[in-house]
Amino acid sequence: GIQVEQSPPDLILQEGANSTLRCNFSDSVNNLQWFHQNPWGQLINLFYIPSGTKQNGRLSATTVATERYSLLYISSSQTTDSGVYFCAVELAGNTGKLIFGQGTTLQVKP
Amino acid sequence: DGGITQSPKYLFRKEGQNVTLSCEQNLNHDAMYWYRQDPGQGLRLIYYSQIVNDFQKGDIAEGYSVSREKKESFPLTVTSAQKNPTAFYLCASSIKVRGLGPADTQYFGPGTRLTVL
Repeated sequence: GIQVEQSPPDLILQEGANSTLRCNFSDSVNNLQWFHQNPWGQLINLFYIPSGTKQNGRLSATTVATERYSLLYISSSQTTDSGVYFCAVELAGNTGKLIFGQGTTLQVKP
Repeated sequence: DGGITQSPKYLFRKEGQNVTLSCEQNLNHDAMYWYRQDPGQGLRLIYYSQIVNDFQKGDIAEGYSVSREKKESFPLTVTSAQKNPTAFYLCASSIKVRGLGPADTQYFGPGTRLTVL
């Protein structure tokens, strides 16, 4: 089956620093989503990004579908950015099924 | 408010018992999903449904059952056949017309933490 690999697995930043999270996937996909899971377990949608680049405030994401990777950029990080970031891909075939990566755990220190 | 609700937030089960986790959405979404998350892991798909009265097994369906009698509701039963049910369970929904194009963004509920005593 398709493999979804995220890197790095863990990341510690000082408040104000920038970071890049990566998601590699092993097969063609219909779409890709980035989520943030807060310390209470709630998953929040960040981006729905099957291809191209999107920006939302201090966050932006780029997916290069032909090369099977996506990047999530966090600029000027804040302590509230802490948590786990997941990418998830929908397999080709229009089932709606999402396959999740293992996540990147981010800790932003004040 | 529009959204997805899950209940209960915490659930304790004795071995050998079946328990049912509730998931309700008022977003008028066609598709609903159940995921399981173990500590330090990503989410794995248990069951999904793209339309009322129809559902499909995900990657780890053994020991679980679902029903989809109403568009708004997709309850998950964890049966005694599930050998290691302690986990965090998340429900999601999306606009997804079966067989037509990729799904829209999935929106998640707050989750239910199930512990087997």
